[in-house]
Amino acid sequence: DIQMTQSPSSLSASVGDRVAITCRASQGVSNDLVWYQQKPGEAPKRLIYAASSVPGGVPSRFSGSGSGTEFTLTISSLQPEDFATYYCLQHNRRPPTFGQGTRLEIK
Amino acid sequence: QVTLKESGPVVVRPTETLTLTCTVSGFSLNNAYMGVSWIRQSPGKALEFLAHIFSNDEKSYSTSLKNRLTISKDTSKSQVVLTMTDMDPVDTATYYCARIRVDYRDWFDSWGQGTLVTVSS
Repeated sequence: DIQMTQSPSSLSASVGDRVAITCRASQGVSNDLVWYQQKPGEAPKRLIYAASSVPGGVPSRFSGSGSGTEFTLTISSLQPEDFATYYCLQHNRRPPTFGQGTRLEIK
Repeated sequence: QVTLKESGPVVVRPTETLTLTCTVSGFSLNNAYMGVSWIRQSPGKALEFLAHIFSNDEKSYSTSLKNRLTISKDTSKSQVVLTMTDMDPVDTATYYCARIRVDYRDWFDSWGQGTLVTVSS
């Protein structure tokens, strides 16, 4: 299975900060990479697909980049509702695999 | 509007078989560009892929759990069913179903609310 490693595992930041979360794949996955946001007690919500495509309804402060083995989720200016846990998923090879998650906390 | 809803037992006993049903609306399981997956999350842990199924009946399973899992679909009922045998307390988790949009390479764009399954005697 392809291993997905997220860094950092946790992150403290303030409202208005720019933050970046990285996801590294143990082998190339092209741009078959999706980012999710999960708040406590809720189902995950898809933020970015195909590594950099932002679907309608997702705020423009969220962006994704990368291809191959290294990917980044960037939040340009943190809002209070962005404090959550973020996961990446590769679906290039079966079975699809998730990263271990990055918990974004208020500083 | 796309919706997915999980249903099944709240509690199962160790060694029993778990059967979960995902009922979908707003899209067809016959659609060549759609699939449905099951994903779980143990308390305080990360998301874990379990299985998926597509309209052509292509299936994929978690490597570590494949011997215990079976996924199937009933297109006429708009349902995807997951069975997991030999349940253990470590299988206590929230189980989600989610949609796959193959045409957009957009995996898990819509999720059910999840169902918490506790394994206990």
